[in-house]
Amino acid sequence: GAVVSQHPSRVICKSGTSVKIECRSLDFQATTMFWYRQFPKQSLMLMATSNEGSKATYEQGVEKDKFLINHASLTLSTLTVTSAHPEDSSFYICSVKGGRDTEAFFGQGTRLTVV
Amino acid sequence: QKEVEQDPGPLSVPEGAIVSLNCTYSNSAFQYFMWYRQYSRKGPELLMYTYSSGNKEDGRFTAQVDKSSKYISLFIRDSQPSDSATYLCAMGTGGYNKLIFGAGTRLAVHP
Repeated sequence: GAVVSQHPSRVICKSGTSVKIECRSLDFQATTMFWYRQFPKQSLMLMATSNEGSKATYEQGVEKDKFLINHASLTLSTLTVTSAHPEDSSFYICSVKGGRDTEAFFGQGTRLTVV
Repeated sequence: QKEVEQDPGPLSVPEGAIVSLNCTYSNSAFQYFMWYRQYSRKGPELLMYTYSSGNKEDGRFTAQVDKSSKYISLFIRDSQPSDSATYLCAMGTGGYNKLIFGAGTRLAVHP
């Protein structure tokens, strides 16, 4: 399967600061990337879908000004959590896919703790 | 009612047992069904992918989809301690786009 690198794997930040999470597709061009959030013992919840070179599509209830997504190239998407609050503490996971009906591969996830 | 229901477990079985994991769903438009395995603090990895109804077998894993009952299953034969993980069902209407995940079932296989 494709290699998806997500960085950092773990981050602790102070309330009110911003945190950037990177998702890289190392061995194929990812036309679409997805960002998920997973709270403990809960399922993955899709936050947004980003297509290279265009604005991300956010799911209902996800604040686009708080969770900034940039998909500037076919191999890199970033998620920036702005003005982080303790309730933003979660496990954030990206997934990447190539064209239609190709498998989506997941990154290793980033555990964000806001103190 | 959630779109996808999955018993979170935990499910504890002895090594060698046959494991049955299940999900039910409410959206009849779902046509793509997946099972992912997620180890602690890691991202999910795809185990099985099924389109529409029917069975699919891959080694010790068998996936079943019954669209008439809106019920999917994953069977693991000859379970191993290395199978201990959380198993997530996922489904969607258009391939790997916008997947809806179940809550995941934690499985522990003890020697």
